[in-house]
Amino acid sequence: AQKVTQAQTEISVVEKEDVTLDCVYETRDTTYYLFWYKQPPSGELVFLIRRNSFDEQNEISGRYSWNFQKSTSSFNFTITASQVVDSAVYFCALSEWYSGYSTLTFGKGTMLLVSP
Amino acid sequence: GAVVSQHPSRVICKSGTSVKIECRSLDFQATTMFWYRQFPKQSLMLMATSNEGSKATYEQGVEKDKFLINHASLTLSTLTVTSAHPEDSSFYICSARDIMETGKETQYFGPGTRLLVL
Repeated sequence: AQKVTQAQTEISVVEKEDVTLDCVYETRDTTYYLFWYKQPPSGELVFLIRRNSFDEQNEISGRYSWNFQKSTSSFNFTITASQVVDSAVYFCALSEWYSGYSTLTFGKGTMLLVSP
Repeated sequence: GAVVSQHPSRVICKSGTSVKIECRSLDFQATTMFWYRQFPKQSLMLMATSNEGSKATYEQGVEKDKFLINHASLTLSTLTVTSAHPEDSSFYICSARDIMETGKETQYFGPGTRLLVL
């Protein structure tokens, strides 16, 4: 069984603050993928990043950065200098291979509210 | 990233009617598409996996006769909610799996369909 835990239900910050969204996962697979998606109020899920289990390098994309720690089964997401447009629900997801295809298991999401 | 469209974006219908939702991958071919359901302030729950040219695979607890899925082509999957009832009101989201030449795959999501059954 696999499980994704996003312990933070809701986070409120003021613009320009840095914020880290936590994600902890469980899986018995040795090969798996981790994802982060953003869901703004409009509802559409926006793909942010995919990371495979063999690549523990941290990644930075503009104000976004991700810290993958296999030893602690965590894949945390940091937004630096947050902006109001970052307000959204962020989902961490895990996929494994079985039966020839992969499915995503989502965490419950973290609602980020950035106020001016 | 790849683009996935969904139609309609929102629909209101009377109890007992059937509603069809289309999911299209616009700039890539998807042998596999997925249908999710999301209740307010909750996470996405996978309903079924749609494979082109074969029967869909439903998750436990999802009635296949209630939620009919057809994946007729590599760019189109449809979800039909048959004899809809108020408890079927929800946000339905599809995704399409894009496999790149490197073998890496990502699910890209449609904008969702808000269904309200009166």
